[in-house]
Amino acid sequence: DGGITQSPKYLFRKEGQNVTLSCEQNLNHDAMYWYRQDPGQGLRLIYYSQIVNDFQKGDIAEGYSVSREKKESFPLTVTSAQKNPTAFYLCASSITGAKHFGDGTRLSIL
Amino acid sequence: GDSVTQMEGPVTLSEEAFLTINCTYTATGYPSLFWYVQYPGEGLQLLLKATKADDKGSNKGFEATYRKETTSFHLEKGSVQVSDSAVYFCALRTPNAGGTSYGKLTFGQGTILTVHP
Repeated sequence: DGGITQSPKYLFRKEGQNVTLSCEQNLNHDAMYWYRQDPGQGLRLIYYSQIVNDFQKGDIAEGYSVSREKKESFPLTVTSAQKNPTAFYLCASSITGAKHFGDGTRLSIL
Repeated sequence: GDSVTQMEGPVTLSEEAFLTINCTYTATGYPSLFWYVQYPGEGLQLLLKATKADDKGSNKGFEATYRKETTSFHLEKGSVQVSDSAVYFCALRTPNAGGTSYGKLTFGQGTILTVHP
């Protein structure tokens, strides 16, 4: 079955560490997105990519970085510059506007 | 900029009750409108959508009508079930300037629905 796979489901980070969240899709979608979800705030866009080797900042890109070397993969790195990284991170992809979401990664600080 | 406002939750209902979750929006141009549902511990799933004024989206007994005159897209269901307990997000998408389908989604803050037997 086609879909979006995010891993790991739970991730813990020590202060000052970078961590990378994985997102893989086998839907052959061109566009991929990373959202952050905090309680009571809905989803906020971190980065998005419309095509391989190209990506743009979303509304809250500071402290994050991404790459898009392959169509299927859009990893998100949460750097030590992100001062409040504890959140639920959702990856999505789309080809005609309506987005398909992964099951998310919950990141917590130790 | 674009924005979506949903009624604040949580909403608590008994099984078979009528559900309304209000959603209003502000957008430039002609947005498409969506409702997504998130079950505990999972990502978001598209519930229904409408792409132009007066369109009605429907799925699994849920309905929402795109009302341009009131800039609203309220979600309704005639008889809720315990399995409908989830967080519901209203969202809009306006196309990029080039008219492509890659426009970003703007989400409301989500409404928690709990249905009791």
